[in-house]
Amino acid sequence: VQLQESGPGLVKPSETLSLTCIVSGDSISHYYWSWIRQPPGKGLECIGYIYYSGSTNYNPSLKSRVTISVDRSKNQFSLKLSSVTAADTAVYFCARHAGEAAGGTHFDYWGQGALVTVSS
Amino acid sequence: DIQMTQSPSSLSASVGDRVTISCRASQIISTYLNWYQQKPGKAPEVLIYAASSLQSGVPSRFSGSGSGTDFTLTISSLQPEDFATYYCQQSYNAPFTFGPGTKVHIK
Repeated sequence: VQLQESGPGLVKPSETLSLTCIVSGDSISHYYWSWIRQPPGKGLECIGYIYYSGSTNYNPSLKSRVTISVDRSKNQFSLKLSSVTAADTAVYFCARHAGEAAGGTHFDYWGQGALVTVSS
Repeated sequence: DIQMTQSPSSLSASVGDRVTISCRASQIISTYLNWYQQKPGKAPEVLIYAASSLQSGVPSRFSGSGSGTDFTLTISSLQPEDFATYYCQQSYNAPFTFGPGTKVHIK
C-alpha cells in the first residue's frame, strides 16, 4: 500500500489549502483515512479522518475550517483547510487506520508528507 | 481532548544501552496506545500498537508495556539506526492525540 500527497506547496494567508492523497496498492474501501500535520520542528496533530463511505470526524480545534472528502472512483481522499494563517504552515501527512476501525487502532501506512507554507 | 505527555523530552545514549521512554495519558485509555518512530524528513512508522504488540517487521529489541494511563517503550539494546524521535499516540478517543515526542541522541 502506498499513499502520496499532492497539492500546492505555497498558499496565501486567508486562502484555502487543498491536498489530495492518492492511494495505490489497495482499495480505499473498508478503511478509515486520516490527515495529520506537523509544523516544522514540532509534534504531530490529527486533523480528522474519513471512512470510505464518506462519514467524517474532525478535530474540534480545526472543525470550522476543515473539510475531508473521498473519491472512491479515483481511490483518493482530500483535505481542504480554509482561512489559513502562518500557523497552518506544516508538513501534512495522509495515513491509513489499520483494520476497519476508526479508533482503537493505529496508523499503519503513511504518505511521505507534503510541506505547505502559508505566506504572501 | 486526551492530553499525552512523554518523559524525557530528549536523552543521550550509547549504542548497546537500554533505553526507556515513558508516556502518560490525562485519562484512562485502556491499552489504546501506540508508539511511532520518526526520522528527520520521514513519516512516522509504527513500532508498537495496542500498548504491547510489536508491529510486523519491527526488531524485537523494541517492546511496550502499560495500561490505563501509564505506558513505557523500551529499547533493549540501542542500535545506530534507532537514533530518532519517538511519539506515543492514543487511539481511545478522537481526536487521536500524540505525545510531544522524545528525541534520542547519540552520546
